[in-house]
Amino acid sequence: AQSVTQLDSHVSVSEGTPVLLRCNYSSSYSPSLFWYVQHPNKGLQLLLKYTSAATLVKGINGFEAEFKKSETSFHLTKPSAHMSDAAEYFCVVSAGGTSYGKLTFGQGTILTVHP
Amino acid sequence: DTEVTQTPKHLVMGMTNKKSLKCEQHMGHRAMYWYKQKAKKPPELMFVYSYEKLSINESVPSRFSPECPNSSLLNLHLHALQPEDSALYLCASSHRTSGGMNEQFFGPGTRLTVL
Repeated sequence: AQSVTQLDSHVSVSEGTPVLLRCNYSSSYSPSLFWYVQHPNKGLQLLLKYTSAATLVKGINGFEAEFKKSETSFHLTKPSAHMSDAAEYFCVVSAGGTSYGKLTFGQGTILTVHP
Repeated sequence: DTEVTQTPKHLVMGMTNKKSLKCEQHMGHRAMYWYKQKAKKPPELMFVYSYEKLSINESVPSRFSPECPNSSLLNLHLHALQPEDSALYLCASSHRTSGGMNEQFFGPGTRLTVL
C-alpha cells in the first residue's frame, strides 16, 4: 500500500520570496515520485520526477525537489516565487507490484502568490 | 508532438443522452488513462489501458465505457449519466505503466456537465 500526505492545503507567499511545498509519502516499493502543477481549469503539467538516479531533482520553471528516504519526504522548493506560479500542486507516488500504472495523489496544495 | 489532446473541451448532456470523449497522443506511448476530477479534489483513476488492452478498471459504473481503438486513441463512451458525474475528465498517457519512463502526461481535460 502507498500513500501521500501534503502537509499544507494552502501556502501563501509574496512574489520574489522562496516557496516550500511539503510532501511525505509511504510506499512498499522503491517509489517513483512526481510533482504536478494544475492551473485553474487546466490539465496537470509534470514539474519533475524522482526515480532514484539523484536525490536532488531539478524541474521546469526553477522548481526543485529533494528526496529524503530517511524522512520519507519529497518537498518542492523554488528560490523565488513568480505570480505565474499561483496554482495547485500535487505530490504523486507511482505504484509498483500488481498495481502498475496507478498513481496515488496527495490532496493538493494551493499556492497563492501576492504582489 | 509532445502533447495529449482531448475533445471536446466542454460538454453538456442530459441524463438520457449518449456522448463520447476523445483523447489522442502521438508520442508513441503504449499506456493511456482516464481520470475523473471533482472540484477541489485530486484526480481519481478510472481506467488504464496498456498496449491497447484494459488493465485496470477502478470499479467504474457501466454507464462509462472505455475504448482503445489503437495505440494513439482513447475514447470514453457515456450513457445514462447522473448529475453527480459532472466533473473534469482527464486523459493521460505514458511510455508504459511500469519501470522508468512511467511519468504520465495529461491532456487539458473535458469539462462535463450532466443536467
